[in-house]
Formats: sequence, C-alpha cells, structure tokens
Amino acid sequence: NFMLTQPHSVSESPGKTVTISCTGSSGSIASNYVQWYQQRPGSAPTTVIYEDNQRPSGVPDRFSGSIDSSSNSASLTISGLKTEDEADYYCQSYDSSNQRVFGGGTKLTVL
Amino acid sequence: QVQLVESGGGLVKPGGSLRLSCAASGFTFSDYYMSWIRQAPGKGLEWVSYISSSSSYTNYADSVKGRFTISRDNAKNSLYLQMNSLRAEDTAVYYCAREEGPSGVFDYWGQGTLVTVSS
Repeated sequence: NFMLTQPHSVSESPGKTVTISCTGSSGSIASNYVQWYQQRPGSAPTTVIYEDNQRPSGVPDRFSGSIDSSSNSASLTISGLKTEDEADYYCQSYDSSNQRVFGGGTKLTVL
Repeated sequence: QVQLVESGGGLVKPGGSLRLSCAASGFTFSDYYMSWIRQAPGKGLEWVSYISSSSSYTNYADSVKGRFTISRDNAKNSLYLQMNSLRAEDTAVYYCAREEGPSGVFDYWGQGTLVTVSS
C-alpha cells in the first residue's frame, strides 16, 4: 500500500526557515497532487498548500510547497517562522486505487 | 459561508453500530465530492471514505471496508456514515470534509464528532 512518510517532529527558532518532508513509498509522488494541512490543538485541519505548491487565499507567502522527483518527496517550507506556526502538519495525496492517503504528521515546535 | 456540522457520535460497545451525519450549508452540496476523515486520540489523520457528488462512486480505506457505508442525500444537503461492527480501534474524532478541484483538496472541514468504542 502507498504510504507517505513524514518526520515525527521538527523544531526551529522564530524568524528561521524550516522544511518538512513527505516521502512517497512507491511510484512517483509527482503523479498526483500533494496537499499540506495545518492542525492546531483542538481544531480541525486547515489547508496551507494544495496542488503541490498553491496557497489558498489568506495563507501567507511564508508557506511554500515543492516536489522533488529525484527523492520522490514533497516538501513544505515555512520561512520567517512565527510562534503561531507551531502546529501539526500533514501531507496528503492519493494511491493507485484513488484512496486518499495522509502522512503520519509532523509536530512543528517554534522555540 | 461554508459550514459542515457533524453529529451522531457517542459511546458504543464493540460490535455495535452508529450512524454519523454531516449537515452542509453555504454551498451547492450536490456539486462536490465529500469525505469522512478520522483522528484517533493523540494520533494522525486517517482518511475513511469518499462519495462522489451524485453518489455514483464511493471508496473506502481498507481498515473500514465491509463495515462502514458512506451515503448522501443531496436534497437534504447531508452526508452520512453508517458504521457497523465497531471495534475499539475505530475510536476517533470523525470529520466530514469537502473536496475541491482537480486535486480534491479538503478545503472545508467540520468541527468533528467523537466516537468512542468501549465496553
């Protein structure tokens, strides 16, 4: 079964840049769009990136997404980190059966 | 504005059944695919099922296939999840979410309803 693997946690200081990876287990991650969701404690997730690198309105341009076919990975990069960015982040895509697949999530700590 | 409101969660014994509902408003419900997504306590997100706009297509995670049934009533702007043969591992907050565009991004989520399976 297709899986998306994320680091369990990352941490960085305010003002710095952090990148969260999302690696596909098989096939080409570039074959299907990748989305990224932010979830703060006690709240439903919200979209920060869709269609690999598109930002919904209202999401600051400090958030960006990319695909690296050579490593079969997607990445979420957050620059100019703010304490309010501290949250769990999930990547999401699809498998060959059109089942939606989430990564395991990455806890971002801004300290 | 788009609103999704889940209901129907609660405490149920292993082997029991529960039906979740999701009331949609603020958009043309019949135009969109819809999904159920769950999150066990302290765990990550797990997609459960989707249904196409006209109910022609459905799909399920392997973990729930044969036990859960997704349905919708476009006249009532409502999405449902019938859950049978419930197990302890089905304990989770269940979210309904709207899918949008070619990527099917989950662009709107409900607040979730908690299902607890325990004796």
